[in-house]
Amino acid sequence: DAGVIQSPRHEVTEMGQEVTLRCKPISGHDYLFWYRQTMMRGLELLIYFNNNVPIDDSGMPEDRFSAKMPNASFSTLKIQPSEPRDSAVYFCASSLANEQYFGPGTRLTVT
Amino acid sequence: DQQVKQNSPSLSVQEGRISILNCDYTNSMFDYFLWYKKYPAEGPTFLISISSIKDKNEDGRFTVFLNKSAKHLSLHIVPSQPGDSAVYFCAASGLLQGAQKLVFGQGTRLTINP
Repeated sequence: DAGVIQSPRHEVTEMGQEVTLRCKPISGHDYLFWYRQTMMRGLELLIYFNNNVPIDDSGMPEDRFSAKMPNASFSTLKIQPSEPRDSAVYFCASSLANEQYFGPGTRLTVT
Repeated sequence: DQQVKQNSPSLSVQEGRISILNCDYTNSMFDYFLWYKKYPAEGPTFLISISSIKDKNEDGRFTVFLNKSAKHLSLHIVPSQPGDSAVYFCAASGLLQGAQKLVFGQGTRLTINP
């Protein structure tokens, strides 16, 4: 298995632009998670899905952030409009049991 | 409110010696604990876990100890190798949080010196 796949690996955008991050979970996993890692806050959970249904989005910082999972093999995290404080590494992870498997992350820089 | 705390941001150990990474938690409803290892520019990778019904779990050079009364867990690596240099995160989950939802500590950067 290729593991969790994220794209793009790096994204540089200007403030106010829309950013879309993509994730393909491991086949057969029924949970999908989006995390953000920053120096100040560490690794924080933004939202997670079970069987494509959002279960807990309490970590989503504000309405500028949205996430979708249209099918079992694809999810997106969208930021619109983006702000410099959104600069971070965004990880997607998937799981079948307690152990989560992480993708390589997307490093987002908003200037 | 940080429910999972790793109070040592960094740790330096000599190759061949034992590395001990510590983690404290505040929520008594946590019942499953995990350690992840992270190299630069990569995602965290699962290392070892322990359920609250156990107090020790071993996997090769890695052993996790759980002290429920102290709400403390530790990861022992012996012997330490240069490839163990990474950031280590402890994480916890519990049924009330949503069994699949992990709460992570801030991480400890381990450096193994030759």
